[in-house]
Amino acid sequence: AQRVTQPEKLLSVFKGAPVELKCNYSYSGSPELFWYVQYSRQRLQLLLRHISRESIKGFTADLNKGETSFHLKKPFAQEEDSAMYYCALKSGGYQKVTFGTGTKLQVIP
Amino acid sequence: GAVVSQHPSRVICKSGTSVKIECRSLDFQATTMFWYRQFPKKSLMLMATSNEGSKATYEQGVEKDKFLINHASLTLSTLTVTSAHPEDSSFYICSARSANTQYFGPGTRLTVL
Repeated sequence: AQRVTQPEKLLSVFKGAPVELKCNYSYSGSPELFWYVQYSRQRLQLLLRHISRESIKGFTADLNKGETSFHLKKPFAQEEDSAMYYCALKSGGYQKVTFGTGTKLQVIP
Repeated sequence: GAVVSQHPSRVICKSGTSVKIECRSLDFQATTMFWYRQFPKKSLMLMATSNEGSKATYEQGVEKDKFLINHASLTLSTLTVTSAHPEDSSFYICSARSANTQYFGPGTRLTVL
C-alpha cells in the first residue's frame, strides 16, 4: 500500500526566507508525485508534478528515489504563498491519488 | 481550463435522512471521478473511485451501502449519504480526471443535526 508522509503540520517562515516543505512516500511501484495547494477559501489545485520538472510560482520539487522524498522548495517566500500544501502520490489502474496530511505554510511579513 | 462543480456547496440535514451531492465536470468529459472526505485539520481521505457506467470502487473501511455513488454520465457523478448521522458531518470533495490531471470541485459542507 502506498503512503505519503508530511511530517510538519505547520511551517512558519519570514518573508524572503527559503522554504522547504517535506514529503516522503512509500510505494512499491514507480511513483508519480504531485504537490497540491489550497489557498484560504479556495479549492484544491495542482501546483506541480514531478514528471514535468517545472517551476511554478517559484516552487520546485525534485523526486529523490533513494530517499523516497519529494520535498517542495522555494528560495524566497512571499506572503501570498501562505496556504495548505498537500503532497500526493498517484498509483493504480484507476490512478488513485493518495494525499499526505498537509502542511500549513505561514509566511510572516 | 477544466472546471469541476459541486452542488450543493453547503447542506444541513436531520439525522436519519439522505443527502445527495452532485459533482459535474463542466467543460470536459470524465470517465473517472473521485470522492474524498476531508476532516478538520486533516488530509483528504479517498472514499471511492467513480467510473462511468460501472460500479464504484470503494476504499477499505468505506461503507458502500451508506455512501452510494452513481456515475451515470461522463459529466456527472453523485454521492448519496444514506441515513445520515452526525458523525457523517464533514467536507466532501470530488475530483475529475482530464488529460492525466485531477481537477477538484469546491467541496460540499455537510452538517447532520
